[in-house]
Amino acid sequence: QQQVKQSPQSLIVQKGGISIINCAYENTAFDYFPWYQQFPGKGPALLIAIRPDVSEKKEGRFTISFNKSAKQFSLHIMDSQPGDSATYFCAAGDDTDKLIFGTGTRLQVFP
Amino acid sequence: ETGVTQSPTHLIKTRGQQVTLRCSSQSGHNTVSWYQQALGQGPQFIFQYYREEENGRGNFPPRFSGLQFPNYSSELNVNALELDDSALYLCASTPRGTDTQYFGPGTRLTVL
Repeated sequence: QQQVKQSPQSLIVQKGGISIINCAYENTAFDYFPWYQQFPGKGPALLIAIRPDVSEKKEGRFTISFNKSAKQFSLHIMDSQPGDSATYFCAAGDDTDKLIFGTGTRLQVFP
Repeated sequence: ETGVTQSPTHLIKTRGQQVTLRCSSQSGHNTVSWYQQALGQGPQFIFQYYREEENGRGNFPPRFSGLQFPNYSSELNVNALELDDSALYLCASTPRGTDTQYFGPGTRLTVL
């Protein structure tokens, strides 16, 4: 019940395309859903986060879509760039403040 | 930059040894969490400290222990190292009144 399932494991997108990564959860106590970007040899960096009271949040080229009834959320990267090539993690948190992470998606954007 | 620093960057130990990893965060970040990230996996929550007290623990044995100090620094100690402890260890600090966790660059621990 504590798991966060993430797909796909890897994603190849052409420059300018849309990258879509999906996550699903079971625990209805989760109320905070961040996405992190991680480059090799670096720690995860927060990209964007959402709470269940909204269905969508957009920051620049990054959008989170949230479906509370389906217990699913996704990250959309518009106009994907080679510099976006990294591993992306979804996560879920509750009032204990610990984060449960997905298994990661390795994104490669080719010019 | 997150303002979270960790030391050392890399560390090599042998089975059975003990290790101490350090983390320093910004003033006002009174919650610190530690995560273990195995190669190719997402970070796994080890434990969290709030105002120098342990405030939640993941599925890790007691040989993983921690400390948080008044100057916003913290330590992760691991006793009786095992080969499976080889991983990237991340600390994350949370500013007072927020949910956002800011991660440091991590310490890469290799156990031989």
